[in-house]
Amino acid sequence: SQQGEEDPQALSIQEGENATMNCSYKTSINNLQWYRQNSGRGLVHLILIRSNEREKHSGRLRVTLDTSKKSSSLLITASRAADTASYFCATTDSWGKLQFGAGTQVVVTP
Amino acid sequence: KAGVTQTPRYLIKTRGQQVTLSCSPISGHRSVSWYQQTPGQGLQFLFEYFSETQRNKGNFPGRFSGRQFSNSRSEMNVSTLELGDSALYLCASSLEDSEGYNEQFFGPGTRLTVL
Repeated sequence: SQQGEEDPQALSIQEGENATMNCSYKTSINNLQWYRQNSGRGLVHLILIRSNEREKHSGRLRVTLDTSKKSSSLLITASRAADTASYFCATTDSWGKLQFGAGTQVVVTP
Repeated sequence: KAGVTQTPRYLIKTRGQQVTLSCSPISGHRSVSWYQQTPGQGLQFLFEYFSETQRNKGNFPGRFSGRQFSNSRSEMNVSTLELGDSALYLCASSLEDSEGYNEQFFGPGTRLTVL
C-alpha cells in the first residue's frame, strides 16, 4: 500500500499560472520529498523537507509541511510548459524506506 | 559524474521466463533501491541494498530477488514471469549523509513487457 496520497490526481493549467498539489500521509516520517517524472522516464528529485521544517523554497517551488495534519503541499509558481509532468511525494519512514504516493499529473498549456 | 544507468532499457519476455535487470549507481553511492511502476499500482518499493546487504524489502513475492556487488552495482531478478510483472522497473541510488537523509537519484528505468 502507498503511504502518500496526492490531490488532485490531475491538474491542467495555463502557462504563467500557479499549480498547487497536496500530499497526505499516514504514519510519522523523518522527511518528505517531492519528485517529478516526465512521461515514463526516471524520477527527478525536486526538494526535501525535514520533519522539523515547515516551509522550504527552491526556485519556483515552495513546499510546506504540516506534521500535525500529516500533509504537505507543493506550489509551482509561474508555471511553464516544461513543468508538464507527474509529481510525486515520497515519505521516509523510521526504517529508511521511501514510499511514494500515486502522483499528480500536471499539464501546462501554452 | 555519470548518472544512474540501467540496462537493458526495454525487454520483452514471455510468461514463465526469468529476467535479470542491471543497475549501475552514481559513483560513490552505496545504497541502491529498486521500484516497480505500473499504471494500476503506481510506484512500489521492491528492495534496497546497502554495502552488498539487503537492508529493506517491500511486499513482493519471492520471485523477485536482487543482489549488490562490491562495486555497488546491483541486479534484480524476476523468475517465473507473470503478465502482471509488466512494468517500468526503476533503480535509484543515494548517498546517505550523516543524518541519514536519502535523496534518491533515479535511472531511466527498464521497461519490461511480459507476453
